[in-house]
Amino acid sequence: NAGVTQTPKFRVLKTGQSMTLLCAQDMNHEYMYWYRQDPGMGLRLIHYSVGEGTTAKGEVPDGYNVSRLKKQNFLLGLESAAPSQTSVYFCASSYSGHPYEQYFGPGTRLTVT
Amino acid sequence: KQEVTQIPAALSVPEGENLVLNCSFTDSAIYNLQWFRQDPGKGLTSLLLIQSSQREQTSGRLNASLDKSSGRSTLYIAASQPGDSATYLCAVIALSGTYKYIFGTGTRLKVLA
Repeated sequence: NAGVTQTPKFRVLKTGQSMTLLCAQDMNHEYMYWYRQDPGMGLRLIHYSVGEGTTAKGEVPDGYNVSRLKKQNFLLGLESAAPSQTSVYFCASSYSGHPYEQYFGPGTRLTVT
Repeated sequence: KQEVTQIPAALSVPEGENLVLNCSFTDSAIYNLQWFRQDPGKGLTSLLLIQSSQREQTSGRLNASLDKSSGRSTLYIAASQPGDSATYLCAVIALSGTYKYIFGTGTRLKVLA
């Protein structure tokens, strides 16, 4: 099993450009999550999904959109990138039942200039 | 609103020492608490998960305890090694029904050879 994978690993964008980050998991997990990690602020939840076709907002959703068209994939989109979105983005997944243990991908380092 | 705090933010110890990392949370109504390890530039690796009905979990040289009533968890690392150098994060999942993790900002541990 590959676990949770993320594409791409690194990306540099100019302000105003758009991009999509892809998260894939092969553990048949129902729940998937997108986080961002910034120095001194820990991980903050952007959006999450509790099943195929469903998405919900997390703590910091503004400027991002997500889609979960297939159970194994969770896409994070930036429609018009801003320097404030420079961060490391992590995807995670978990089973739908207690205890909801989360498994993380390796991260995507995004720089917006 | 649930808040998770980890003190100290950084810790440096000589090899062989036993050490304790602290995690505190403000709302005791949690499903579980999970400890993670993060190496520089890498994703998060799950170390231990303690369910709300449990008091502690052990894995090798690691022991994590949970005291919900006082809103605290500790991660005990026995006989520390340079390979233990990493950032340690704790996260709690609340009983609010939304199955979302709230992360602390982590403790950066350096074990000196």
